[in-house]
Amino acid sequence: KNEVEQSPQNLTAQEGEFITINCSYSVGISALHWLQQHPGGGIVSLFMLSSGKKKHGRLIATINIQEKHSSLHITASHPRDSAVYICAVGVDSNYQLIWGAGTKLIIKP
Amino acid sequence: DADVTQTPRNRITKTGKRIMLECSQTKGHDRMYWYRQDPGLGLRLIYYSFDVKDINKGEISDGYSVSRQAQAKFSLSLESAIPNQTALYFCATSDFAGASGYTFGSGTRLTVV
Repeated sequence: KNEVEQSPQNLTAQEGEFITINCSYSVGISALHWLQQHPGGGIVSLFMLSSGKKKHGRLIATINIQEKHSSLHITASHPRDSAVYICAVGVDSNYQLIWGAGTKLIIKP
Repeated sequence: DADVTQTPRNRITKTGKRIMLECSQTKGHDRMYWYRQDPGLGLRLIYYSFDVKDINKGEISDGYSVSRQAQAKFSLSLESAIPNQTALYFCATSDFAGASGYTFGSGTRLTVV
């Protein structure tokens, strides 16, 4: 069993839909990261969470430490949101990351 | 200029050849990382460095070596490339504890034939 699991693996939705991507982990963590990988390959950090909730534009990330679960939400989705969204958890004081396999999101116009 | 620059962007090389991938950063971060990405898999850590004198093996270091020439430069070498090292390679940086997140280079697509 992977230490970081994302669901779904693939998600296709229509423009405007509310999107939820989930991340569950089985280890103790220092923090959890959400990143976005564009179709061209570039990776961008979206959020780093250690508790609660963060919001940036149409993106919202939440984490429940007790349940070892995080969600990334996209409101009013747009085709430009199409990308792979990756969850990664930071473990131990040296802050190495354990990576999920990613969720491929396609938003159709 | 990008905060983290990787060269080359694409490379095709033959089995048995030595190849170096270079990474430079302008973030001023102490921590630098080399990752490998294969289709359908999460990123896997090859090597990481927390400062110029501190280099550590990641989970898949066999067949790779690194050099941290300066705070801003971290290069990855494949001593004798083999086809299963065909992958997308990323360099990344972070500050202490990654509090500002991680900054990635654009990636190097390496094909070993």
